[in-house]
This record gives sequence, structure tokens and C-alpha cells, in this order.
Amino acid sequence: KQEVTQIPAALSVPEGENLVLNCSFTDSAIYNLQWFRQDPGKGLTSLLLIQSSQREQTSGRLNASLDKSSGRSTLYIAASQPGDSATYLCAVEYGNKLVFGAGTILRVKS
Amino acid sequence: NAGVMQNPRHLVRRRGQEARLRCSPVKGHSHVYWYRQLPEEGLKFMVYLQKENIIDESGMPKERFSAEFPKEGPSILRIQQVVRGDSAAYFCASSPASQGTQYFGPGTRLTVL
Repeated sequence: KQEVTQIPAALSVPEGENLVLNCSFTDSAIYNLQWFRQDPGKGLTSLLLIQSSQREQTSGRLNASLDKSSGRSTLYIAASQPGDSATYLCAVEYGNKLVFGAGTILRVKS
Repeated sequence: NAGVMQNPRHLVRRRGQEARLRCSPVKGHSHVYWYRQLPEEGLKFMVYLQKENIIDESGMPKERFSAEFPKEGPSILRIQQVVRGDSAAYFCASSPASQGTQYFGPGTRLTVL
């Protein structure tokens, strides 16, 4: 069964901290892995996509890594800001569908 | 350059009525996906369509739910005889190819009274 797990479920940090969100998946036969951001009552914004052959991707203060063999990905956020507060979703693509984790709710306090 | 558009954004139906949710993909995208987010749960895949074809409907409930993506016009997710358990946020995504980044719409929030 293809399952995606995200840890922690919620995280509260003071502004300026570097933080790591974790994602694990049970089936390593992935096409790619995406990290999304979801604001309350809103849609999903794609942050980073890592192809199965890649090890990491970077965009601004965000860095995502992928270790297919161990079934893990991490999203690193540097110098966190209150505007980073949102739910972060990890999604693994199998075939033509995305399997989502339950998300990590992040709150960055000013 | 408009992204994925969904309408209505909010839909209220009484039990037994029909709900029709519309999705216009990014211009030039011929692949559409529907996902459902139940309250306090993660997003779950429902169906994947290309123009005029259903490719994968493994996540669709067997009854009352149907989807189409006609040659012209938006993709439609149709729920017949809605029940309270259908209350959820329904998201549509599109992509230019069968694998790759999926771009999500803002969702339609369905409430069944």
C-alpha cells in the first residue's frame, strides 16, 4: 500500500529559526515528489518538485532533499518568517496520481 | 496567463440534490486530476482524465460520482444525490504531460445540509 507520512504534525517556532519538515513514503517506485504549501481555506501552491533521479532541489530559502532508497524527503526552511505560516504537504507521484501526506502545520511567531 | 480555475468556489446543496463542480485547466494543459479533501483529512486522489477520456478512476466512489473532460469546455465532477459525507473541498489540478508538476486550482468547498 502506498502511504505517505509527515512528521511533525504541527510545529511552532520563533521567527528566524531554521527548520526541517520530514516526509516518508512506503513505496520507493516513485516518479517524483512534490512539496506544497496550503494556506487556510485556499488551494495548493507548489514549492518544489524533485524528480526520482534527483537528490535535492532549492528555491530561495527552501531546500528539499530526496532519498529514494530509504523512502524519505526533507524540506528545509531557512530563516523562517511569519509569512511562512501554513500547512506544508508532501506528495509522491505514483503513475498518474499524487499520494499526499496529512501535512505539517507550521506557525512562525514574530 | 490564468492558472487552474474552479467554480463555484463555494457550493451548498441539500441532501438528495446534485452538485456540479467545474474546472478549467491551465491553457494548453490536456491532463486533469480531481482530488478530495475531507474535513481533518489529507487530499485523496479521485480521478485522472485526458481530453474526452477517463484514464484512472480508481479513487472515485463507485456510485453517484462521475467525471468528464469534454473536447470543448471545462472538466466537470458531478455528484448525484449528495449526502452529508460528501461535504469536502474538491480540488482540480492540471498538467501539460502525464507526469510532472500538477498545478492546483483554489478548490470548491461543498457543504451538504
